Amino acid sequence: ETGVTQSPTHLIKTRGQQVTLRCSSQSGHNTVSWYQQALGQGPQFIFQYYREEENGRGNFPPRFSGLQFPNYSSELNVNALELDDSALYLCASSLVATDTQYFGPGTRLTVL
Amino acid sequence: DAKTTQPPSMDCAEGRAANLPCNHSTISGNEYVYWYRQIHSQGPQYIIHGLKNNETNEMASLIITEDRKSSTLILPHATLRDTAVYYCIVRVRGVIYNQGGKLIFGQGTELSVKP
Repeated sequence: ETGVTQSPTHLIKTRGQQVTLRCSSQSGHNTVSWYQQALGQGPQFIFQYYREEENGRGNFPPRFSGLQFPNYSSELNVNALELDDSALYLCASSLVATDTQYFGPGTRLTVL
Repeated sequence: DAKTTQPPSMDCAEGRAANLPCNHSTISGNEYVYWYRQIHSQGPQYIIHGLKNNETNEMASLIITEDRKSSTLILPHATLRDTAVYYCIVRVRGVIYNQGGKLIFGQGTELSVKP
């Protein structure tokens, strides 16, 4: 167990809807990174939050947005859901932005 | 794109050592080698990392060649629970900004441990 928790574990949405996924980082960690993992692929970096500021972003459109709170927990928001957004969404926390990342169990999102 | 190359799959007999290779011929001087594994769509699990010296922990050993262009993860006594996809990743440490050492995953090696 890494101490990183994610909610919900599973989620079903329809095209065009909006979704919010949540992540609680390990105690003492100030950085959260989000990844998307499509079936059969390795995880792809979405963005990272370090001390409540976005600290880098991967090749994802602006409808993917995030937030980090003062307690360093984080949210991933996806607007205007598309079928291709169906994936396992992973968050990882680290002591600081450059340190080893520890992953949560993920949220499985299905878009119908 | 991932900076590492791994075989897509490997088999290992239970109780034997599993040796998983990784090529990273373009690794930079400030990049570390990290290994994670992912069991059946759970979150990736951190295993070990190293810069240039061999490393060992309770899970595995990491052997990095002297020129740092390749490495091998060794699971000394594989069990059925070690069946997973193993990812070798190179990443920068010590750089907070500039995407803060994001992890770039490739396809990994699917290790099957057989009885």
